[in-house]
Order: sequence, then structure tokens, then C-alpha cells
Amino acid sequence: EPEVTQTPSHQVTQMGQEVILRCVPISNHLYFYWYRQILGQKVEFLVSFYNNEISEKSEIFDDQFSVERPDGSNFTLKIRSTKLEDSAMYFCASSAKYYGTNLYSGNTIYFGEGSWLTVV
Amino acid sequence: SQQGEEDPQALSIQEGENATMNCSYKTSINNLQWYRQNSGRGLVHLILIRSNEREKHSGRLRVTLDTSKKSSSLLITASRAADTASYFCATDVQGAQKLVFGQGTRLTINP
Repeated sequence: EPEVTQTPSHQVTQMGQEVILRCVPISNHLYFYWYRQILGQKVEFLVSFYNNEISEKSEIFDDQFSVERPDGSNFTLKIRSTKLEDSAMYFCASSAKYYGTNLYSGNTIYFGEGSWLTVV
Repeated sequence: SQQGEEDPQALSIQEGENATMNCSYKTSINNLQWYRQNSGRGLVHLILIRSNEREKHSGRLRVTLDTSKKSSSLLITASRAADTASYFCATDVQGAQKLVFGQGTRLTINP
């Protein structure tokens, strides 16, 4: 079964450093997402991306965060200057079709295994 | 409370028993999805139920949706030790491209 793959699985970084998390979405999917989960807390939406631009972002996704699809297969999340509170599991996800306003659109969002980021 | 709240927060049962987890939400939805997460691992999609559906089955899983009560339940029948995990419901928000997750139910199956 096709899957979303993420690298690295674990990363430890010093506060203030830049981090890039990489994802390869499922190949025929058009919609890409990043979510995060702070240890012991809920999974939270960060950003959705379609047609090479951000389609929606949360309050968490401030100027320190950016996303990019540098080529036809990768989707990256960059944190410019990491803070201690950025320590979390970051999940990349993708879906084939638009997931949103259409009733009964019912498109499954598939998640990767996550990248565990620890900021020290 | 927030969109997508599961209860109970933790559930411990014996292998072979059925496990039922509930999810409540606040706003109108298009779809509701259930995911499983093994400790420290990724989110595995289990089942999606549309707002015009009332019940759906997949193997040992049975999901119900009551839009009038804004609630859903996930039933796992004949539980196995491998079902030990956290289970999350995730609702979409009409007009938004995102899922809103609950806190999850930690299910432990005792051999």
C-alpha cells in the first residue's frame, strides 16, 4: 500500500538552529499537510498546501515556519529558528482530493510515521 | 470543550472482549475519521464515515455516527493484544482544509 514517508525519524537540534523536515507524499496525491503533536497532547493542524501554495494555516504556523515543494516528489517543513516549545512529533500527510467544503467528499488523509524533533 | 473529544481517556480490557470508544464534537462536519497510533509512531487511518452515513464496518471495526447528537463511536470486537494503542477521532471543519483531533483514548488489551 502506498505510504507517506518522512525523514529524519528523529532530530535533536539546538535552540535557534534551522531545521528542515522532509516528506514524500503518496505519488498521485495533490494535497499536502503538516500536523504536529507535542508529547501527550492532541495532534494539531499546522498547514495545508495545494498547487504550490499554502491554502490554509493555523495560528501555530507563524513566520518561523515555511513549507515548500522543491520538486515533484518532496514536501518540506522548515523551522527557521527553533524554540524549545517546537519540540514535538511532526506529521506529514497527503490526500488525493480536496478535503474540505464539499459535503460527502470523504477523502482520506494519510499520515506518515512522523519526525520527532527535540530542541535543546 | 473542543471539537473531537473522546471518552474514555483510558480503557483497559481483557483480550477477546469488545472495546467501545466515543467521540463528541461541536460544529457541523462533512466527515469523521478514526485513527490509531501506537506509542511514538504515526497515525494509521482506520475508517472514514461521511455525515450522511450512520454506520460503517471494516473487519472487526464498527463505527457509528449520530449527527443529531454530534457523536461517534468506535467498536473493536474480539480485541487482541495488538490493538493496544491510542485511538483518535478526527473531524473536518466545514469550509476548512484541516482535521481537528481529539485527545484520544488509550486502549490497553490485557492478555
